[in-house]
Amino acid sequence: LAKTTQPISMDSYEGQEVNITCSHNNIATNDYITWYQQFPSQGPRFIIQGYKTKVTNEVASLFIPADRKSSTLSLPRVSLSDTAVYYCLVEGSARQLTFGSGTQLTVLP
Amino acid sequence: DTAVSQTPKYLVTQMGNDKSIKCEQNLGHDTMYWYKQDSKKFLKIMFSYNNKELIINETVPNRFSPKSPDKAHLNLHINSLELGDSAVYFCASSQTGTHAGELFFGEGSRLTVL
Repeated sequence: LAKTTQPISMDSYEGQEVNITCSHNNIATNDYITWYQQFPSQGPRFIIQGYKTKVTNEVASLFIPADRKSSTLSLPRVSLSDTAVYYCLVEGSARQLTFGSGTQLTVLP
Repeated sequence: DTAVSQTPKYLVTQMGNDKSIKCEQNLGHDTMYWYKQDSKKFLKIMFSYNNKELIINETVPNRFSPKSPDKAHLNLHINSLELGDSAVYFCASSQTGTHAGELFFGEGSRLTVL
């Protein structure tokens, strides 16, 4: 199983861009990289998924270098409501769906 | 309409009791999961069912028994509850393709064993 490593916590201020990096040195050829967001007392919510290079949607961008051993979730202009835990998940099949401890992002006013 | 719904949301019970948590999804997905989230926020997969068939059964005590009457439902029954079973249990679903794809989670069921 590809293990992921993320910072335990990060602080930012409103309006700033936040980049959260995840290491996954043992990523396999078939693995995709997925990020989830979790608010207190809620289930995780899908943010973005990618395989290589760059993926962008309406809420975030995901940067994946050529070796795919890491990935960076980029949140543009964060607001207080972006305070949450962010999980990086590497998955190649339904059998690899265990999350790590995530990164607690705190956005300050 | 809630995509993945779990009941009950909160459950407080005594050690040794038996309890069940129900999960239903209306997304038409063919795969459903149970996850356990501990106090350190680790989300650990417990079980996965694909079209009512068990495909993942991680190292979970056999006091935990999932039951899938149809592909839209996956219930979790726990026998002889122990203090260490206290956690938040999440149900999730996905449409299986070449990879697991996007997981849709329920709101969670917080189990407290006294």
